Amino acid sequence: ILNVEQSPQSLHVQEGDSTNFTCSFPSSNFYALHWYRWETAKSPEALFVMTLNGDEKKKGRISATLNTKEGYSYLYIKGSQPEDSATYLCASPDMKTSYDKVIFGPGTSLSVIP
Amino acid sequence: NAGVTQTPKFRVLKTGQSMTLLCAQDMNHEYMYWYRQDPGMGLRLIHYSVGEGTTAKGEVPDGYNVSRLKKQNFLLGLESAAPSQTSVYFCASSYQSTGMEPQHFGDGTRLSIL
Repeated sequence: ILNVEQSPQSLHVQEGDSTNFTCSFPSSNFYALHWYRWETAKSPEALFVMTLNGDEKKKGRISATLNTKEGYSYLYIKGSQPEDSATYLCASPDMKTSYDKVIFGPGTSLSVIP
Repeated sequence: NAGVTQTPKFRVLKTGQSMTLLCAQDMNHEYMYWYRQDPGMGLRLIHYSVGEGTTAKGEVPDGYNVSRLKKQNFLLGLESAAPSQTSVYFCASSYQSTGMEPQHFGDGTRLSIL
């Protein structure tokens, strides 16, 4: 089974601070990488699907970069707001078995302190 | 649109009882997934389906069965519930291969096995 790792496990930042966290995945047989935001008591919502090395996606104050050669993706949040508090998940298809089988990382829990 | 709907939202079972969780989507998606979410472990794939009449095993399939008799429905069954199956269960769907398409999640079913 594909091993998708995320760091840090949790993060506390002050409102207005910028922050970033990491998703690591095996660089061989890369297919795609997904980022999701998961607010407490809600269901995960997709942020980005990334497929190309050097790809950069942006949605408001949130952006993500991808390095498929070294096997990592960064998620950046500029000027964090309390509403950004959530768990951020990354996921990647397990190409050793099937690209239909998507494996999720354990998530990074972000708390933004007003 | 309702999107992905899971029923029931909560359930308490006794060890050894059986039950079926229902996932319904109205987006004409081909792919459907069942995950379980446990503290500190993110989302783990139980079973998935790439189309009507198909099912496949995920990361943690033991103790569960699934059926996809209709395109819009994906059922998850517990034949003999065990306390280790206490978890929050999420259903998700995607239009086509989830490697390239984001998943759309239901609101979850909280299941407790006593």
